[in-house]
Amino acid sequence: DAEITQSPRHKITETGRQVTLACHQTWNHNNMFWYRQDLGHGLRLIHYSYGVQDTNKGEVSDGYSVSRSNTEDLPLTLESAASSQTSVYFCASSDYGGPLHFGNGTRLTVT
Amino acid sequence: DQQVKQNSPSLSVQEGRISILNCDYTNSMFDYFLWYKKYPAEGPTFLISISSIKDKNEDGRFTVFLNKSAKHLSLHIVPSQPGDSAVYFCAALVSRGAQKLVFGQGTRLTINP
Repeated sequence: DAEITQSPRHKITETGRQVTLACHQTWNHNNMFWYRQDLGHGLRLIHYSYGVQDTNKGEVSDGYSVSRSNTEDLPLTLESAASSQTSVYFCASSDYGGPLHFGNGTRLTVT
Repeated sequence: DQQVKQNSPSLSVQEGRISILNCDYTNSMFDYFLWYKKYPAEGPTFLISISSIKDKNEDGRFTVFLNKSAKHLSLHIVPSQPGDSAVYFCAALVSRGAQKLVFGQGTRLTINP
């Protein structure tokens, strides 16, 4: 069965360190997205991609970057982790016009 | 600026009764709306959707109603079951634009036996 996998499931890091969260999908979807979930805010879009070599900023992109070198993967990098980036991160993928399929999330704690 | 709002953080309903979850939006360009369900330690899963050309869409126990003039949609679950206990997110998008879903804050639904 096709799926979308995020790793690691849990990560603790220190302020100022670079962190990369992995996202891998086997749906063969062109669209991929990164969201963060915070209490009181729901899911907010960080970055998204419509295909290889395409990346776009979402509403809360500051301090984050992504790259899309193939269809399956969209890693999310925190250049210099801050305590405000402690959150649960969800990766998702979709076909054009189709519903999003989400991974199970990565819980990131920045100390 | 929250374009999609779920004003009830939580809702508690007796098993077998109707659960009604509400969602309001401010962007009149939104023309496609979705509900997602989320269990703890899992990602959200798609539940039901509605296009702005309709005012109702039904799928088994789940019905979504859309009132475009009021910029309001609601999700009805009848009858409610214990397995329906989860966080429900309302989401919206402009279907002809960037395929970016805008989510509400979520409502935690608890079904009591």
